[in-house]
Amino acid sequence: AQKVTQAQTEISVVEKEDVTLDCVYETRDTTYYLFWYKQPPSGELVFLIRRNSFDEQNEISGRYSWNFQKSTSSFNFTITASQVVDSAVYFCALFLIQGAQKLVFGQGTRLTINP
Amino acid sequence: AAGVIQSPRHLIKEKRETATLKCYPIPRHDTVYWYQQGPGQDPQFLISFYEKMQSDKGSIPDRFSAQQFSDYHSELNMSSLELGDSALYFCASSPSLDRDSDGYTFGSGTRLTVV
Repeated sequence: AQKVTQAQTEISVVEKEDVTLDCVYETRDTTYYLFWYKQPPSGELVFLIRRNSFDEQNEISGRYSWNFQKSTSSFNFTITASQVVDSAVYFCALFLIQGAQKLVFGQGTRLTINP
Repeated sequence: AAGVIQSPRHLIKEKRETATLKCYPIPRHDTVYWYQQGPGQDPQFLISFYEKMQSDKGSIPDRFSAQQFSDYHSELNMSSLELGDSALYFCASSPSLDRDSDGYTFGSGTRLTVV
């Protein structure tokens, strides 16, 4: 079975701090995609990144960076110099290329950035 | 750029009524997915369509049905509504993920409230 675990239910930090959101996944498949989505209070799901299971390169996009470690089945997300606008619920998700074509989401991490 | 369009954005229905949610995918996206997100929950996969045929089915109640039309738009029909059906309903579209793409793209969602 496929499973995504985001152990941190809620995180609260002060603006300009760095914060890391953890994501651990389980699958027996060797080919899959991992995603991160942001869900602000308005409710929409905003795509942040997609990572192929064969691509373990870390990625940086502005203040966002992602650390993919296949050996530990983790795909962690770091926000550097956090801002109030980063406050949202963040979801990590797993997509299997073979079999059921669906996203399996983690439980989400509610991130609050305080001014 | 064109995005996934969902309508209506908000819908209020009474118990036992019927609701129809619509989804218009990004042009040239051949796959549509429906998800349900209850309050404080992560999105749960309901059903998907590829080239107008149902491709996968998740935890979709028998009271719900969906289809994809020749213009690739999709409709989710929900009958005998229950209070527990109150949720955010997301539609997503994608091209085949074995092609380079930016992955799943979600619509803004339809917030259904059953009273």
